[in-house]
Amino acid sequence: NAGVMQNPRHLVRRRGQEARLRCSPMKGHSHVYWYRQLPEEGLKFMVYLQKENIIDESGMPKERFSAEFPKEGPSILRIQQVVRGDSAAYFCASSPGMLGPDTQYFGPGTRLTVL
Amino acid sequence: GQNIDQPTEMTATEGAIVQINCTYQTSGFNGLFWYQQHAGEAPTFLSYNVLDGLEEKGRFSSFLSRSKGYSYLLLKELQMKDSASYLCAVRNNQGGKLIFGQGTELSVKP
Repeated sequence: NAGVMQNPRHLVRRRGQEARLRCSPMKGHSHVYWYRQLPEEGLKFMVYLQKENIIDESGMPKERFSAEFPKEGPSILRIQQVVRGDSAAYFCASSPGMLGPDTQYFGPGTRLTVL
Repeated sequence: GQNIDQPTEMTATEGAIVQINCTYQTSGFNGLFWYQQHAGEAPTFLSYNVLDGLEEKGRFSSFLSRSKGYSYLLLKELQMKDSASYLCAVRNNQGGKLIFGQGTELSVKP
């Protein structure tokens, strides 16, 4: 039973370029969450999505960041015109979306470095 | 507002017991989670509490007191591989997102 998949694992971009991070949830999971972890800081929530719907984007920066979870294919976190401050580890988590714990399981993360 | 506090770092000896505390303030509580994160890796789920009391799972136990906004993670028979960051996270009743503390970096010494 494959876990949460993220790619790429490492991504290097120059300032002003675009970064696209992909996340495939665990089989049977319909809820996806994106978190960002800056160096020496805790995980910060960014966005919560279900298929074709953004449920909560209260943690997303107002500009340059967007996320989607299409009917087919992985969830995508897109960062336009990257800046050095975007360098971080971006983790995706998925959950089954059921009552009770609805535990979130994390992928291995994408480490974005902006030069 | 929401706030999660846990110690920044702790040190313990192999074979010993360690307790990592977490206090939280949240508007509407809907569960507390503990995760383990080794350097450069993904957080892995350890435990979940939503009712007061102790949940035991092998060498790991987690306790919750909702009235005090307090939880702890207890690790018994410490092993070197337990050296990691331990993350306390709270979910409120406004949706699925988790609010994480800064994490407690645990070092297990021989």
